[in-house]
Amino acid sequence: EPEVTQTPSHQVTQMGQEVILRCVPISNHLYFYWYRQILGQKVEFLVSFYNNEISEKSEIFDDQFSVERPDGSNFTLKIRSTKLEDSAMYFCASSGGTGGGSPLHFGNGTRLTVT
Amino acid sequence: AQTVTQSQPEMSVQEAETVTLSCTYDTSESDYYLFWYKQPPSRQMILVIRQEAYKQQNATENRFSVNFQKAAKSFSLKISDSQLGDAAMYFCAYRSRNSGGGADGLTFGKGTHLIIQP
Repeated sequence: EPEVTQTPSHQVTQMGQEVILRCVPISNHLYFYWYRQILGQKVEFLVSFYNNEISEKSEIFDDQFSVERPDGSNFTLKIRSTKLEDSAMYFCASSGGTGGGSPLHFGNGTRLTVT
Repeated sequence: AQTVTQSQPEMSVQEAETVTLSCTYDTSESDYYLFWYKQPPSRQMILVIRQEAYKQQNATENRFSVNFQKAAKSFSLKISDSQLGDAAMYFCAYRSRNSGGGADGLTFGKGTHLIIQP
């Protein structure tokens, strides 16, 4: 079964550094998402992406964050200047169909640790 | 804005028994989707079951079934014949139906930690 893959599985970075989290969505999917989960808390929506542009973003997704689909397969999340509170698990997801009922397929996540 | 509430931070059940996880939500919309996701210790998010709000029939997937009460805005998950592999965090999630082409995100509850006792 096709999977969403994320790299790296764990990223450690120093406060103030830029970090790029990478995702390869399922190949025929059209909608892409980033979520984050701070340890012990609920999963929070960050951003959705369709047709090479952001469709929706949450309040968390401020100017420090950006997303890009640099080629036909990768979908990246960049954090320009990381803060301690950015430490979290970041999940990429994709879905294939239109409408809210199309299930999201999640990757295994990237654990980001900011020191 | 929609909210999803899971009032049980932790539940425990004996192996082979049945357990029900609660979820309530708040929305002004009439058309939407509800999901249960499972997150085992590996941290992967796995779709367990999906319910379409305009369908009255409760969704079922093998040992997993839901009790969807639209008027009460309740969406509980029942796990029958619990197995050790069911141990995980379970998240209830909401998504609008009219989501501009499916681009809107999911709204998650805080999760319920399910413990299976052998």
